Amino acid sequence: DVKVTQSSRYLVKRTGEKVFLECVQDMDHENMFWYRQDPGLGLRLIYFSYDVKMKEKGDIPEGYSVSREKKERFSLILESASTNQTSMYLCASSLGFDAEGNYGYTFGSGTRLTVV
Amino acid sequence: AQKITQTQPGMFVQEKEAVTLDCTYDTSDPSYGLFWYKQPSSGEMIFLIYQGSYDQQNATEGRYSLNFQKARKSANLVISASQLGDSAMYFCAMIPKDWDNYGQNFVFGPGTRLSVLP
Repeated sequence: DVKVTQSSRYLVKRTGEKVFLECVQDMDHENMFWYRQDPGLGLRLIYFSYDVKMKEKGDIPEGYSVSREKKERFSLILESASTNQTSMYLCASSLGFDAEGNYGYTFGSGTRLTVV
Repeated sequence: AQKITQTQPGMFVQEKEAVTLDCTYDTSDPSYGLFWYKQPSSGEMIFLIYQGSYDQQNATEGRYSLNFQKARKSANLVISASQLGDSAMYFCAMIPKDWDNYGQNFVFGPGTRLSVLP
């Protein structure tokens, strides 16, 4: 069974801390994504990566950076956490359509981050 | 810019009845894909159904069907014979432009919380 694993389910950090959210996929997907989810706003794209060491800004990149040193791992970094970054963070990886016509876009279970 | 609108923040339905969750979208791209995801309280996003902008027939997947009206730019999800396990958050999403190339990015709506009553 294919998986996208996010290292922490719940995380509490202090304002100003540097925070790392880790995401690992075992599907050999080239494409990986970080979203944040807030009530009433749905999911919004923060950053995505099409290949190792490549990154592209999404809709709300401010205050975040990412790292993709290996194909299977995509890390989201909050350089100096702030209370307005309290949110649910979802990682995803994508292959597009596979040979059977199934759409291969898989989400992780999410990390609920609270910044106090 | 692309945008997804879901006007129903919350919906209630009686078990075994059908329910329609509304979704309208805005895009100027001729080629796009429309998706519905379910998010139970556990947090994972579960893919339900998709519709390509050039598909002539409405997509169906078990108890889920997508009522696609291209001229009205709507892509409503219909769940037949609701079950208690259908209680969850439902998101409509769109992938614009070359949607059948992998790696494209979703635009999500704000979601509709569905509660199925026994």
